[in-house]
Amino acid sequence: KAGVTQTPRYLIKTRGQQVTLSCSPISGHRSVSWYQQTPGQGLQFLFEYFSETQRNKGNFPGRFSGRQFSNSRSEMNVSTLELGDSALYLCASSWGQGSPGETQYFGPGTRLLVL
Amino acid sequence: QKEVEQNSGPLSVPEGAIASLNCTYSDRGSQSFFWYRQYSGKSPELIMFIYSNGDKEDGRFTAQLNKASQYVSLLIRDSQPSDSATYLCAVNSNAGNNRKLIWGLGTSLAVNP
Repeated sequence: KAGVTQTPRYLIKTRGQQVTLSCSPISGHRSVSWYQQTPGQGLQFLFEYFSETQRNKGNFPGRFSGRQFSNSRSEMNVSTLELGDSALYLCASSWGQGSPGETQYFGPGTRLLVL
Repeated sequence: QKEVEQNSGPLSVPEGAIASLNCTYSDRGSQSFFWYRQYSGKSPELIMFIYSNGDKEDGRFTAQLNKASQYVSLLIRDSQPSDSATYLCAVNSNAGNNRKLIWGLGTSLAVNP
C-alpha cells in the first residue's frame, strides 16, 4: 500500500507570495492533518480535515487555510508569506474514526523557505 | 506550562544499554499516548501507542503509562546506533472525533558505538 505523498518536496518563496501544498493520504484514509515543524516550536497542529470538512483547527492565523477533496486528497494554502513561515510542513493521514489507538502516518513533508 | 513536556536531551547511551525516555502531560482527560521516532531530515514514524496503565512491549521497545502521575515513558533495550534519533511523545487529549494530538518537542537520543 502506498504511503502518504506530499508535493512539492521543496519550495523557495519570497515574502508576500502565497503557496499551495498538496497531500495524498494512504488509500482508504479519510482524515488528513497538517502540521508545521520548526526547530524551536516542534510540531504545531494546523488543522484536520475529514470527509471534506475541517474537523479541528490549531492556533494559526487566517493566512493558513486548507481544503479536502472528495478523494481525500488535501491542500493547504499560505497567503502573504512571512519569513517566520519557513518550516517543514507535514501532512499525516489516518482512518479518522477516532479509536484510541488510531495512528497518524506522516508524509515526507514539504520544506518551505521564505526569503 | 507546556501541555506535553519532554527533556530535550541530548540523551547519550552506550550501545547495548537501556535508553529511558520520559514524557509528562497536563490534561488528565488524555486517553491515548504515542511514541514517534524522527530521524534527522525525515518525517516522524510511529513506534508504538499505549492507552492502558501499565507496560506495553513491542520487541526492544516498552512503553509505560501511569495516568495518576500523568507520565508516559519509552524504554529501548539493547540500544543500537540506528536508534539515534529524536523521539516525540504525542498525547490524544480528546475522545472520538474531536481528537487532537498534542506533541512534545522531542528528546534527542544518541547511541554511541
